[in-house]
Order: sequence, then C-alpha cells, then structure tokens
Amino acid sequence: GEDVEQSLFLSVREGDSSVINCTYTDSSSTYLYWYKQEPGAGLQLLTYIFSNMDMKQDQRLTVLLNKKDKHLSLRIADTQTGDSAIYFCAEFGPRGYQKVTFGTGTKLQVIP
Amino acid sequence: DAGVTQSPTHLIKTRGQQVTLRCSPKSGHDTVSWYQQALGQGPQFIFQYYEEEERQRGNFPDRFSGHQYPNYSSELNVNALLLGDSALYLCASSQRDSPYEQYFGPGTRLTVT
Repeated sequence: GEDVEQSLFLSVREGDSSVINCTYTDSSSTYLYWYKQEPGAGLQLLTYIFSNMDMKQDQRLTVLLNKKDKHLSLRIADTQTGDSAIYFCAEFGPRGYQKVTFGTGTKLQVIP
Repeated sequence: DAGVTQSPTHLIKTRGQQVTLRCSPKSGHDTVSWYQQALGQGPQFIFQYYEEEERQRGNFPDRFSGHQYPNYSSELNVNALLLGDSALYLCASSQRDSPYEQYFGPGTRLTVT
C-alpha cells in the first residue's frame, strides 16, 4: 500500500520541542522525507533519511526511523514562530515508481 | 543557481477550457515530475518526464498530458477543465541518477470556475 498517515494538527509553545509523527505502510521504501509548506508557498525539502539509518540530525531537526513499526518522526528543538507551517511526511516509491508519496500533512501552530 | 521555477503563479479558467502550466527545472536536473495538491491534501503524483518522454504516470485521466523540451523544461496541459481540477500544481525536478532528491517549485494555483 501507499498510505502515509499523520496527525492533522499540533500546537506547541515557542521554545518548546515539537514532535511530528508519521506512519507508512510500504516496507520497501528506501527514502523517507520531511517537507515543509508555508501558507501560499511550495514545498521545502527539510531533510530525508535512508531506510538503513535509525536517526539523522541536522541542526534543530532530528529524524527518527523505526523500520519495524514503519514509524517516522520529526523533532524540532527550540520551536520558533517561523516554524509554523504544514509538515508533510513522505516516502519514495512504492517500489518501481520514481515518485514521492505524501501524507496529508500536520499543521504546526507555534504559540508565542 | 536558480531553483525550480514555475509559471504562471496564479490562473483562473472556466469549466471546459484548456490550460498549460510551465516548469523550468533546477540547474543540472534532467527529470521533471508533476504533482497536484488539492486544498487540505498532500500532493498527488501526476506523471514524470525524462528524455522528452512520459516515463511514469499516476492515477490521472488522459485529460492531463505533458511535454518535455530538449532543455529539460516541461509543460503540463489539462483539457476540458472540471471544477475539481482546481488545485496547486507543483513541479519537481531531479537528476536521473538521484531520483529520490526531488526539489519542488513554488507551484501554480489554478482556479476553475
């Protein structure tokens, strides 16, 4: 299957950590992504992780991958108001397809 | 180094009309994919072009067609527009040998009335 599932909404206070969760169903996925979309804008590739990795850190962003449970998470440390956006979890594939399959997105609201 | 560019930014069309959207890939990229993002949804894959040919296609009707030029730029054409075609159309570019690194343009917002 190609379903990528995310919770729809997350609200955090400025300075706290945000954790956005995602589950995917295609165990053959090789790359998993986090994209950010601000209102009225296109998609910004934040980071991606190869399926043989458990964790990837990039400045304030930490991606955790649990292949057994097909669970991907994005942690944003010291969340800022500029982080308010919709975050899409996505996977490359399914197998044989050179496309990115997206979840429905999680809207992150940062409260000052 | 210019990223992915798309034109126009916004477009309003009437049901039954035809529309052409344009995309220029990131420098060094040779593959272009098109996605449709309906309001409140994640993007859905329409098709991918490489070497001027459609290589893969998602679950979209034949009203959606495309073209890729020798300079790797691409067009998306939609015929017989329906109200449900109203969406943000995103173009993504990549290199053939790194298809997993897809960079998206800002999109074209199409409104069908």
